[in-house]
Amino acid sequence: GAVVSQHPSWVICKSGTSVKIECRSLDFQATTMFWYRQFPKQSLMLMATSNEGSKATYEQGVEKDKFLINHASLTLSTLTVTSAHPEDSSFYICSARTLADSYNEQFFGPGTRLTVL
Amino acid sequence: DAKTTQPTSMDCAEGRAANLPCNHSTISGNEYVYWYRQIHSQGPQYIIHGLKNNETNEMASLIITEDRKSSTLILPHATLRDTAVYYCIVREGYGQNFVFGPGTRLSVLP
Repeated sequence: GAVVSQHPSWVICKSGTSVKIECRSLDFQATTMFWYRQFPKQSLMLMATSNEGSKATYEQGVEKDKFLINHASLTLSTLTVTSAHPEDSSFYICSARTLADSYNEQFFGPGTRLTVL
Repeated sequence: DAKTTQPTSMDCAEGRAANLPCNHSTISGNEYVYWYRQIHSQGPQYIIHGLKNNETNEMASLIITEDRKSSTLILPHATLRDTAVYYCIVREGYGQNFVFGPGTRLSVLP
């Protein structure tokens, strides 16, 4: 089955630093990747949608200069949280979809837990 | 906004069937019903999806009412490992992302 990985699985950083999270589709080519954020005891909230080779589309209220998304290849998307602050601490989840996906599924990664001190 | 309503939480005895309802009264003709679940601190896991016919796979069964305004996910023999938040999502076509509501927190009890 389609597998999506994320790295790192968890990260702790100091306030003001930047953190990069990688999302990889391991056995398929992901034309579209999605980034979600989940705060404790809340549901997943879509942050942005990225298509390979083009700029990401951000949801309302998500700062594109703070959450930099790069989808440079069909198997890799990265999310960089710039100048992270404690309020950015959250569970970040990516998902991927392929043109070959005849069932319209999205395959989700295992998530990355970010803690900003 | 999510287009579905689900109970906040449910309990189920281990070994019994877990029936999770979902209302999607505004579903349109080309929208599919998807079910995902999220075990604590993990990414969502796909369970099943359907358009109008009932569906079954190795994980669960999906029963969709004839008017498509509601559906039920059935885990035939729930185990402790099925304890998770279950999300019912409706999505149109290929170009849409998934909008997650609060889901149902299922607790399987020994």
